[in-house]
Amino acid sequence: DVKVTQSSRYLVKRTGEKVFLECVQDMDHENMFWYRQDPGLGLRLIYFSYDVKMKEKGDIPEGYSVSREKKERFSLILESASTNQTSMYLCASSLWTSYEQYFGPGTRLTVT
Amino acid sequence: AQTVTQSQPEMSVQEAETVTLSCTYDTSENNYYLFWYKQPPSRQMILVIRQEAYKQQNATENRFSVNFQKAAKSFSLKISDSQLGDTAMYFCAFMKPPAGGTSYGKLTFGQGTILTVHP
Repeated sequence: DVKVTQSSRYLVKRTGEKVFLECVQDMDHENMFWYRQDPGLGLRLIYFSYDVKMKEKGDIPEGYSVSREKKERFSLILESASTNQTSMYLCASSLWTSYEQYFGPGTRLTVT
Repeated sequence: AQTVTQSQPEMSVQEAETVTLSCTYDTSENNYYLFWYKQPPSRQMILVIRQEAYKQQNATENRFSVNFQKAAKSFSLKISDSQLGDTAMYFCAFMKPPAGGTSYGKLTFGQGTILTVHP
């Protein structure tokens, strides 16, 4: 079974802090994605990556950056956390040749 | 840009009954994929069913089936013989097929519908 894990289920940070959200997949998937999930808005894509050290902006990249130094790991970075970044963050991965994305359990981030 | 709309924030159904979740989308593409994803209360999102736009036949996966109306840009999910384990948030999603030399791209999601199955 494909397994996508995220470093924390719940995270509380203060405004202005630098925040790292980690995602690891164990199925050698080329593609990895970061979404945020908000009530009434569904999931929106922040960044995605098709290969190591490759990244592309999604629909809402402002205030975020990403890092992919190894194929299995994709990190989402909030350079200076703000209260409007309080949300559920979901990581996903997929094969280059497949439409199906596999999701992690999510990280509920609260910025106070 | 594509948009996906789910107009039912919440639905409920009795166990063993049938329920239909609605989804409409807007795109200028002729070929694309549509999906229904399920997010149970434990939060791991899983794929329920997919439909390729070039296929006229509606997709079916066991108790789950879709009604795909391409001209109307409508993509509803029917759950037959509802079970307590079907309680979840359901997302409709859209994906463009890959262009030459590129991989499958991003998903565009609707707002989600919370489905509660009552015993």
